[in-house]
Amino acid sequence: QKEVEQNSGPLSVPEGAIASLNCTYSDRGSQSFFWYRQYSGKSPELIMSIYSNGDKEDGRFTAQLNKASQYVSLLIRDSQPSDSATYLCAPIGGSYIPTFGRGTSLIVHP
Amino acid sequence: DAGVTQSPTHLIKTRGQQVTLRCSPKSGHDTVSWYQQALGQGPQFIFQYYEEEERQRGNFPDRFSGHQFPNYSSELNVNALLLGDSALYLCASSLLSGASYEQYFGPGTRLTVT
Repeated sequence: QKEVEQNSGPLSVPEGAIASLNCTYSDRGSQSFFWYRQYSGKSPELIMSIYSNGDKEDGRFTAQLNKASQYVSLLIRDSQPSDSATYLCAPIGGSYIPTFGRGTSLIVHP
Repeated sequence: DAGVTQSPTHLIKTRGQQVTLRCSPKSGHDTVSWYQQALGQGPQFIFQYYEEEERQRGNFPDRFSGHQFPNYSSELNVNALLLGDSALYLCASSLLSGASYEQYFGPGTRLTVT
């Protein structure tokens, strides 16, 4: 059974701070890793993809991957109230089907 | 460039009825996956269609079936609806031959079973 673990939160951070979202996964065959943002009542939106160990930066978002530790994280710099959403971690293994975690709820307060 | 579209947006059905949900993939994509998302949970994989065939299936009963058409659009059918089938049904499209395996979701169909 492939497992993806995320702290459900809510994670509350002040506006302008760095939000750190973490995810661990059980499938050692996972090769690709995705972060989705889901606003309440809406569908998930792909915001970051990472395929190799290390950091990948895109604007205010940085994804970090450590395959040896089976750990992937998402950092959001200069958090804004509009970043308030649920963030879903989704690794993909050999089946090419992503396995989703339950997501972490992020609240950015002014 | 049209994204993934789904219809209908909302649907209310009675227990025991049957429902059909529809999805058109993003332009250039050839693969459609269906997910069920209950409140407070992550999306759960139902099945994936590629070249008009079911390529993979998740842990869902045979009441859930699907189809993919030559234009890559897809349908999800659920028979003998149960109260527990109430959820957000998501369609995601991707390019199987692409190297990234990125999936893009449609807006979803909210199904309520009463």
